[in-house]
Amino acid sequence: EIVLTQSPGTLSLSPGERATLSCRASQTVTNNYLAWHQQKPGQAPRLLIYTASRRATGIPDRFSGSGSGTDFTLTISRLEPEDFAVYYCQQSSYSPLTFGQGTKVEIK
Amino acid sequence: QVQLVESGGGVVQPGRSLRLSCAASGFTFSSSVMQWVRQAPGKGLDWVALISMDGIDEKYADSVKGRFTISRDNSKNTLYLQMNSLRVEDTAVYYCARGAGWTIDYWGQGTLVTVNS
Repeated sequence: EIVLTQSPGTLSLSPGERATLSCRASQTVTNNYLAWHQQKPGQAPRLLIYTASRRATGIPDRFSGSGSGTDFTLTISRLEPEDFAVYYCQQSSYSPLTFGQGTKVEIK
Repeated sequence: QVQLVESGGGVVQPGRSLRLSCAASGFTFSSSVMQWVRQAPGKGLDWVALISMDGIDEKYADSVKGRFTISRDNSKNTLYLQMNSLRVEDTAVYYCARGAGWTIDYWGQGTLVTVNS
């Protein structure tokens, strides 16, 4: 099973600041099948990024993904008020599919 | 637009069974891998199971293998999760999700399953 470790656990930032979230895999995520999902309180998650760096439909370009192999990053270039949420990475290279434990981006 | 609507959640005693359903619309259901993901109260996302487009191939998390069964009816555009021998630790919101391949691209709103005596 691929274990995904996200860091930091919590990120305290102000609107307009840059957010950098990390996701490290215990083994290589083949074909970069690594996705990022955003979840706001009381809501279902939604897909932001797939295949490590491709934005999903309707996702603003302030969200970007990068990385390959075992190290992946989600960057939010300038935080908007609606971006404060929990972010999860997920690998879909191998079964069982797995999620990271999440990074909470909170208002400082 | 893609819609996934879960139903069948509720309160059940340990050891009992429950079947969840997910009604899909707005896309070609028979051409999509489908999945279940759960989230215990206040916790992170926990992948449960997936099923291939034709329903032949199924994958499960170790924590539910042998107790849960994922299935689909492509004629009814509906996904199911049969949950047997339920445990307190199965308490969670259960999300139905569509896959582009194995990558989740759409989520339902979820249905709450509570297992307690």
